[in-house]
Amino acid sequence: NAGVTQTPKFQVLKTGQSMTLQCAQDMNHEYMSWYRQDPGMGLRLIHYSVGAGITDQGEVPNGYNVSRSTTEDFPLRLLSAAPSQTSVYFCASSYSSQSTDTQYFGPGTRLTVL
Amino acid sequence: ILNVEQSPQSLHVQEGDSTNFTCSFPSSNFYALHWYRWETAKSPEALFVMTLNGDEKKKGRISATLNTKEGYSYLYIKGSQPEDSATYLCAFSRGDGNNRLAFGKGNQVVVIP
Repeated sequence: NAGVTQTPKFQVLKTGQSMTLQCAQDMNHEYMSWYRQDPGMGLRLIHYSVGAGITDQGEVPNGYNVSRSTTEDFPLRLLSAAPSQTSVYFCASSYSSQSTDTQYFGPGTRLTVL
Repeated sequence: ILNVEQSPQSLHVQEGDSTNFTCSFPSSNFYALHWYRWETAKSPEALFVMTLNGDEKKKGRISATLNTKEGYSYLYIKGSQPEDSATYLCAFSRGDGNNRLAFGKGNQVVVIP
């Protein structure tokens, strides 16, 4: 199993550009989530999904959209990038939405917005 | 927003020494506490999931305890080795059925050979 994969690994955008960060998992996990990691802060939840067709907002959802059309994929869209969205983005998945389920993280995408 | 505090933020440990650090979390509506190990340039990897007051978990030289009544967990590293150098994250869940985790900022450990 590849586990959780993310593409791209690095990305530089100009303010106002849009892009999609890809996340896929091959473990048949129901639950998927997106976090951002900023210096001096803990991982913060952006959006999450408890199953295909269901998404919800996390702690810092503004400026991001998600969809979950399949169990495997959970892309994160930045519609109009801002410098405040410069961060490292991690996708994670778990078998179910039970709070005791371990979340498995992808390798991260480092995004810089100029 | 759930407040999860980890202390100390960073520490340097001599190889062979033991060390410990703290994760504090809200004691109300507790459901689960997760510990992750995060090495530089890698992704966080799960160490433990703890749910019961008084829980103790162990994995090799790393162990953790849980006190849900007072809202804290300790992580211990016995006989630290250079490969233990990492950031250790704790994450709290209230069990609202959505596996929403609130992470602390982490305990960065550097083991000096």
